[in-house]
Amino acid sequence: QKEVEQDPGPLSVPEGAIVSLNCTYSNSAFQYFMWYRQYSRKGPELLMYTYSSGNKEDGRFTAQVDKSSKYISLFIRDSQPSDSATYLCAMSATGAQKLVFGQGTRLTINP
Amino acid sequence: GAGVSQSPRYKVAKRGQDVALRCDPISGHVSLFWYQQALGQGPEFLTYFQNEAQLDKSGLPSDRFFAERPEGSVSTLKIQRTQQEDSAVYLCASSLEHPGGPYGYTFGSGTRLTVV
Repeated sequence: QKEVEQDPGPLSVPEGAIVSLNCTYSNSAFQYFMWYRQYSRKGPELLMYTYSSGNKEDGRFTAQVDKSSKYISLFIRDSQPSDSATYLCAMSATGAQKLVFGQGTRLTINP
Repeated sequence: GAGVSQSPRYKVAKRGQDVALRCDPISGHVSLFWYQQALGQGPEFLTYFQNEAQLDKSGLPSDRFFAERPEGSVSTLKIQRTQQEDSAVYLCASSLEHPGGPYGYTFGSGTRLTVV
């Protein structure tokens, strides 16, 4: 079993919908939680990061971390066709330099 | 430069050939990482440098993989005697600080290696 599990999708929703993406993990040492967006043939780019538990909001994006359940989520409000991409969750432990990524969820927003 | 630059963007190698992949990190970034991303998968850690020191190479899949960063700037990932299972996108990333901090990693666009 992988340390980080993420449903690969694909997920297809109409423009304007609220999108919910999530990951589960098994390593209780993870303290840093990130969401990256990856467009086709590009490298991942950092969208959101959260330290430990809680919520963080940035524009249309909200990241949530529930350490008790080992579950993290990313919500996208008022989704746009330009949000169509693969979304990767990533995590790291305190003092660790490497990130552990989920498989990625491929998202399509239909106009 | 403004971002992480990787070259070549695409590489086709015959099985058994050696390849070298180059990464130019963001100027001033002391941390440099290599990841391997297979088709339809998330990136997997290969190795990490702090300046010229290779501090973690636990993710290198075999002794055919070798990475260096001799002057603490440009890095090269070398794969000897390539195999079909080496086909993947190789991503380089650099960071000012711990990757979980507010700056995170900055990734390059990757080198897509196809072994035929």
